[in-house]
Amino acid sequence: AQSVTQPDIHITVSEGASLELRCNYSYGATPYLFWYVQSPGQGLQLLLKYFSGDTLVQGIKGFEAEFKRSQSSFNLRKPSVHWSDAAEYFCAVGARSGGYQKVTFGIGTKLQVIP
Amino acid sequence: GAGVSQSPRYKVAKRGQDVALRCDPISGHVSLFWYQQALGQGPEFLTYFQNEAQLDKSGLPSDRFFAERPEGSVSTLKIQRTQQEDSAVYLCASSGLADYEQYFGPGTRLTVT
Repeated sequence: AQSVTQPDIHITVSEGASLELRCNYSYGATPYLFWYVQSPGQGLQLLLKYFSGDTLVQGIKGFEAEFKRSQSSFNLRKPSVHWSDAAEYFCAVGARSGGYQKVTFGIGTKLQVIP
Repeated sequence: GAGVSQSPRYKVAKRGQDVALRCDPISGHVSLFWYQQALGQGPEFLTYFQNEAQLDKSGLPSDRFFAERPEGSVSTLKIQRTQQEDSAVYLCASSGLADYEQYFGPGTRLTVT
């Protein structure tokens, strides 16, 4: 069974600073990897996804993530954080099973942005 | 086009009451998922439908939880005899059959008092 570890529960950064959110996964085959963002009272919005190919993937809102198979990691980065990025971020791993994608989420990292 | 919608957005139930949570997926989406998100946790898979067929219900926590999608579109998650540990946000997601991305609704926050 797949699993996801997000070691940082809370992160605080200053507006304009760079951001890196860590994610490690466990899965026996090539994983499908996702980062989602959740604002208070909202559902999950997909930021980016990795299935194959280039290990550096670009997403929406200026986010990118790098898949490193040797480290079983899929860290999310942004070069300059905006106040509107304050939200909770979830890393997830998907496994194709019986014709559908079964997704396992991490516990989430809550991002606080200070002026 | 319209996204995934869920109703009600908030539900307060007394312990022991039955509740029904509704999900309207994106039109034409074959796959529909339910997740439970407890406070401070990530979403956890409950069940999966492909059209009207419930192909995976391995995440349903007890036999008090029941889901249906009788016509292959709208789905209802029913919880019988609610308990305090059922308090959570219930998220619905849909996708196309060959689509790797799941599109999430805003969720229903259930509080059991």
